[in-house]
Amino acid sequence: DVKVTQSSRYLVKRTGEKVFLECVQDMDHENMFWYRQDPGLGLRLIYFSYDVKMKEKGDIPEGYSVSREKKERFSLILESASTNQTSMYLCASSSLGTGIGYNEQFFGPGTRLTVL
Amino acid sequence: ILNVEQSPQSLHVQEGDSTNFTCSFPSSIFYALHWYRWETAKSPEALFVMTLNGDEKKKGRISATLNTKEGYSYLYIKGSQPEDSATYLCASTGTASKLTFGTGTRLQVTL
Repeated sequence: DVKVTQSSRYLVKRTGEKVFLECVQDMDHENMFWYRQDPGLGLRLIYFSYDVKMKEKGDIPEGYSVSREKKERFSLILESASTNQTSMYLCASSSLGTGIGYNEQFFGPGTRLTVL
Repeated sequence: ILNVEQSPQSLHVQEGDSTNFTCSFPSSIFYALHWYRWETAKSPEALFVMTLNGDEKKKGRISATLNTKEGYSYLYIKGSQPEDSATYLCASTGTASKLTFGTGTRLQVTL
């Protein structure tokens, strides 16, 4: 059974803290993604990676960074958490195939982050 | 950023009803259209990935059609069941590299 796991389901942090969200996939997928979901908005892409040590900005990268040191692991980092980063964060992965847009994405269960 | 729109925002149907939702996307830049089902407290799961104009895909009671020339896709559910209750997301890609999601259609099926 394919799996994308995220380190926490719920997380509460204080403004200014450095926050790490971890994502691990066991499908040997090349592509990994971080999204955030807010009420009334669609899933918005923060960053993605198509290979180890490679990263690309998504639509809303400001305030975030990422790290991909191993193929199976993709980390999202909030350098200095702010209240407007309170959100549901979803990680996803997909195989290389013929292009990222053509391949279904497999999602993790999400991390609900609250920044106080 | 692509503009992907879904309608309706939410839908409440009785068990046994058939229903459909719409996803609109820019027809001028299109590579693929994805449908996902997101049940509460679970992960979004892919239903379909469609690329060709006129494409129709089916999975059990759920089917989808694609019109790339006019920029829309329909998702149909025949004989809705309570377990179909979920948010249905569509996503389009204007490049081969990333998806843009709509805001979703929230479906509730009651007995």
